[in-house]
Formats: sequence, structure tokens, C-alpha cells
Amino acid sequence: AQSVTQLDSHVSVSEGTPVLLRCNYSSSYSPSLFWYVQHPNKGLQLLLKYTSAATLVKGINGFEAEFKKSETSFHLTKPSAHMSDAAEYFCSGAGSYQLTFGKGTKLSVIP
Amino acid sequence: EAGVAQSPRYKIIEKRQSVAFWCNPISGHATLYWYQQILGQGPKLLIQFQNNGVVDDSQLPKDRFSAERLKGVDSTLKIQPAKLEDSAVYLCASSHQETQYFGPGTRLLVL
Repeated sequence: AQSVTQLDSHVSVSEGTPVLLRCNYSSSYSPSLFWYVQHPNKGLQLLLKYTSAATLVKGINGFEAEFKKSETSFHLTKPSAHMSDAAEYFCSGAGSYQLTFGKGTKLSVIP
Repeated sequence: EAGVAQSPRYKIIEKRQSVAFWCNPISGHATLYWYQQILGQGPKLLIQFQNNGVVDDSQLPKDRFSAERLKGVDSTLKIQPAKLEDSAVYLCASSHQETQYFGPGTRLLVL
């Protein structure tokens, strides 16, 4: 079964500095992995997805994630944080067309 | 392309009352999901439909929750009777292959 673990419940960065949100996965087969973002009182928006093509996946709003099989990781990064990036981020893994979500990482951006 | 629609957006009820939520998926998406998201947690799958059939309802509390998707398009989720611990955001999603697209959610408060 697919499971994901988000290593940080809360990350705080200054505006203009890099963002790193960490996610590890556990799967006995090549997984499909996703990052979603949730702004307050909004639904989940798909940022990017990995489906065993390129290991470096580019998403919307300047985010990207790298699939590292040796480390079973799928960390989300962005070179320069913007105030509008403040939100909750969920890593998820797919198996049998079902998603398993991590517990979420709340990103705070300090002006 | 229109996204996943949900209504109502907010609902406040007293415990032991009943409530129903409605979801209209993206046109052409055969798979529809209902999730429960409790504050501070990731979404938890309640039920998955493929067209008008149930694929997985193993985490649906069937003594009080029910869901249907009679014509294989829109869906309703019902809670009867509601408990305090049902206070959560109820998210609907539909999928194309493994990628899920989420609606804005219905925020339920049970008093």
C-alpha cells in the first residue's frame, strides 16, 4: 500500500528565500506522487504530479519537486518564496486510483 | 473547463440533525470521491464511485453516513444523525486517470 509522510508540520521562511517542504513515500512499486496546496477556506489545488516520467517535475507558481528513489523522497521546492505561497501543502500518493494524504505542512512566509 | 462544484459552502446544524451535501464533478470524469478533512489533518477518503457504482466505502461510517450517485454524474453525501465529531470540511473530487481535482468543500459545524 502507498503511504506518505510529511516530515514537518510547520515551515516558516522569509519572503524571497527558498522553500523546502519534505515528503517521504513508502511503496513497493513505482508510485504516482502529487503535491496539493490548500489556501484558507479553499479546496485543494494540484501543484504538480510525478508519474514515472522525468524525475524533476515542474509545477505551477514556480514550484518543482524531485523524485529520488534511493531516498524514497519527493520534496517540494521553490527558489524564492512569495507572500501568496502561505498555505497548507499536502503530499499524496496514488494507488488503485485512490490518494493517501500526508498530514500537511503549513507554510508561513514572513515579510 | 468548469471545476468540481459543491454546495452548500457552509452549514451549521445541531447534533442529531441530518444534513446533505451535493457535488457535481468535472464533465466526463467517471470517478468521484468524497473526503472528510478534520481541522489540522489531511483529507480522509470516505467513499469512491466509478460511474454510479461504489468502488470503496470501507472508511464510511455506514451507521450514519450514506452517499449516492444515481445517474453516474452528480452525487450527494448525507449524515443522519450528525455528531459533534462530524464537524469538518467535506471535499468532493473527481478524477481523470490518477489525477484528482477537488471542489471548494463544504464546511460543516455541528453544535
